[in-house]
Amino acid sequence: SQTIHQWPATLVQPVGSPLSLECTVEGTSNPNLYWYRQAAGRGLQLLFYSVGIGQISSEVPQNLSASRPQDRQFILSSKKLLLSDSGFYLCAWSPSTRRETQYFGPGTRLLVL
Amino acid sequence: GQNIDQPTEMTATEGAIVQINCTYQTSGFNGLFWYQQHAGEAPTFLSYNVLDGLEEKGRFSSFLSRSKGYSYLLLKELQMKDSASYLCAPGGYQKVTFGTGTKLQVIP
Repeated sequence: SQTIHQWPATLVQPVGSPLSLECTVEGTSNPNLYWYRQAAGRGLQLLFYSVGIGQISSEVPQNLSASRPQDRQFILSSKKLLLSDSGFYLCAWSPSTRRETQYFGPGTRLLVL
Repeated sequence: GQNIDQPTEMTATEGAIVQINCTYQTSGFNGLFWYQQHAGEAPTFLSYNVLDGLEEKGRFSSFLSRSKGYSYLLLKELQMKDSASYLCAPGGYQKVTFGTGTKLQVIP
């Protein structure tokens, strides 16, 4: 069966510090991968998605970036965090043969102070 | 662009039936998802409708009318554990757009 991991679960970072969140998927190959952010009381905002290694599509211009160095690894990064980057970050995957059904990881709760 | 409209909050009694409506305007529509999200947790997949009509899955059913841009999620025999947010999400090629969700509170 497929599983998706995210870490860390919780993170408190000062403004201006860098960020690296990691997501890995097990039990499948060539998945589509997604990064979402959910601010308090808000909906899920799609940040990035990837259909293959090195292929990243950005949905919202911001100070975040994403990379996919391996087939089942998706990384969300920032060089300098802003207060507005606080939120619940969710990684999701979908099978390449059924692209839309997405399954979410447990999420990382980020608080920027 | 995508526009999704669903009620912000609903309250229902344990054992009752509740219907959560969703209307959407979207481009490149392939089907509509419903997800459940408990407070502080990640969303979990509930249903996916591609064709018009009602699909039943246990206590949960989901309906879609593509021509009307309308869907609903029907929850029967409500249990306290059904208290959660329910996200309506029209899906297109490679991407799904999530609404802000309906927060359902089940009371005894």
